[in-house]
Amino acid sequence: DAGITQSPRYKITETGRQVTLMCHQTWSHSYMFWYRQDLGHGLRLIYYSAAADITDKGEVPDGYVVSRSKTENFPLTLESATRSQTSVYFCASSTGPLSDYGYTFGSGTRLTVV
Amino acid sequence: DAKTTQPTSMDCAEGRAANLPCNHSTISGNEYVYWYRQIHSQGPQYIIHGLKNNETNEMASLIITEDRKSSTLILPHATLRDTAVYYCIVSPMDSNYQLIWGAGTKLIIKP
Repeated sequence: DAGITQSPRYKITETGRQVTLMCHQTWSHSYMFWYRQDLGHGLRLIYYSAAADITDKGEVPDGYVVSRSKTENFPLTLESATRSQTSVYFCASSTGPLSDYGYTFGSGTRLTVV
Repeated sequence: DAKTTQPTSMDCAEGRAANLPCNHSTISGNEYVYWYRQIHSQGPQYIIHGLKNNETNEMASLIITEDRKSSTLILPHATLRDTAVYYCIVSPMDSNYQLIWGAGTKLIIKP
C-alpha cells in the first residue's frame, strides 16, 4: 500500500545495543525526517534528508546515525542505545521545503531502552 | 523554544465549531503558520497552513489576524474523532524542516 511505513512498531532493547529503526515511503518524496517525542517535550528533529545521499543534523542528533542510499528508505540507527533514548520515534516525508500537503508522518516506533 | 502560545486544553461539544487560538506575536514576515494535530498514539497529521490570507480546506479553516500576531484554527463541525492535540507552528517558508513544536492544545470533543 502507498504511504509511509515504520518498523518495528515496538522495540525493547538493552543499554549499549545497536538498534535500527526503519522508515519506508512509497511516494518518492524528496525530503524525509526523523523526530523523537518525549513526555514534556514537543517533537524534536533528529536528522533530515533532502534527497538520496544528502543528510543533515537536526536539533538532537547525538547518538544517532542515518543513511539514505535510496529515496524511499531512511533508516535511523542508535549506535549504542542509552536509557535517555527511550522515546517514540516518528519518521516523516515531504515533497519539499514548502509543501501544500505538509509533512506526512508514519505511525511511530515506541522504543524502550532497559 | 516554540514561537507560539496555545491554551493547554479546550472542550467543545460534538457538532459545534471548535475554535483553537494561537498567539505568535514575534512572527516574521516570511514565516508561515502551520497547524498539525496528533490523535492519541498516532503520528501527527497536517491540517492547514497560511501566510497572511485566510485559508480553507476540507479539514479546517485558518483565520490569521491582519497584524499576523495571532491565528485561529476552526473545525466547523467537530466530531468525536477530532479529539486530539493540536499544534500551531510558525516557520519560514524555505526551511520548514526546522519546525519547532510546542506542547499544543489538547482538544476534547464531548458528546
